[in-house]
Amino acid sequence: GENVEQHPSTLSVQEGDSAVIKCTYSDSASNYFPWYKQELGKRPQLIIDIRSNVGEKKDQRIAVTLNKTAKHFSLHITETQPEDSAVYFCAANLNRDDKIIFGKGTRLHILP
Amino acid sequence: DSGVTQTPKHLITATGQRVTLRCSPRSGDLSVYWYQQSLDQGLQFLIQYYNGEERAKGNILERFSAQQFPDLHSELNLSSLELGDSALYFCASSVAGSVTDTQYFGPGTRLTVL
Repeated sequence: GENVEQHPSTLSVQEGDSAVIKCTYSDSASNYFPWYKQELGKRPQLIIDIRSNVGEKKDQRIAVTLNKTAKHFSLHITETQPEDSAVYFCAANLNRDDKIIFGKGTRLHILP
Repeated sequence: DSGVTQTPKHLITATGQRVTLRCSPRSGDLSVYWYQQSLDQGLQFLIQYYNGEERAKGNILERFSAQQFPDLHSELNLSSLELGDSALYFCASSVAGSVTDTQYFGPGTRLTVL
């Protein structure tokens, strides 16, 4: 079936360094790719999203890139800070069914 | 605070029982989505309602059902509960009916089935 694969499942990064999380999707008709951050015990919150008519989007220390040909998209966090520690989920819409499929999440640890 | 509310916050029940989870969307939002989050499965989309009508269906079991009322609040009913139904259940809301609209998540209901 249609799915979204996310890697790595766990990522440890030294404070101040960059973190990259990658996702691939299978539905070539997908055109919306949100990223959610979920802190421990809290709700998922949208941090950035990208649509298929652009290849890159930035918001301060966060950026997302999209490669439609290869069907993958990535989240980049620069100058990481302790408050970036959380689980990050990528997602893609299934255009045919008009529903969202989430990746299994990446647990990001920012090391002091 | 996203403006989406869910009750109850915690629910402990026994196998075979039935429970109802409640969600109130943000003011003005017409869509409500239900998700199940368990440790090994991540976020699983269950079902979406838009303005009172079922809009999209995900991996929702036949033992589960949902509805959206005229005031736009939604309820998720889980029956014949099994141990494996223990999970965090989130609802989310968005302004219109497309999944490309930003979804705002509620705080979740933690269900424990003993």
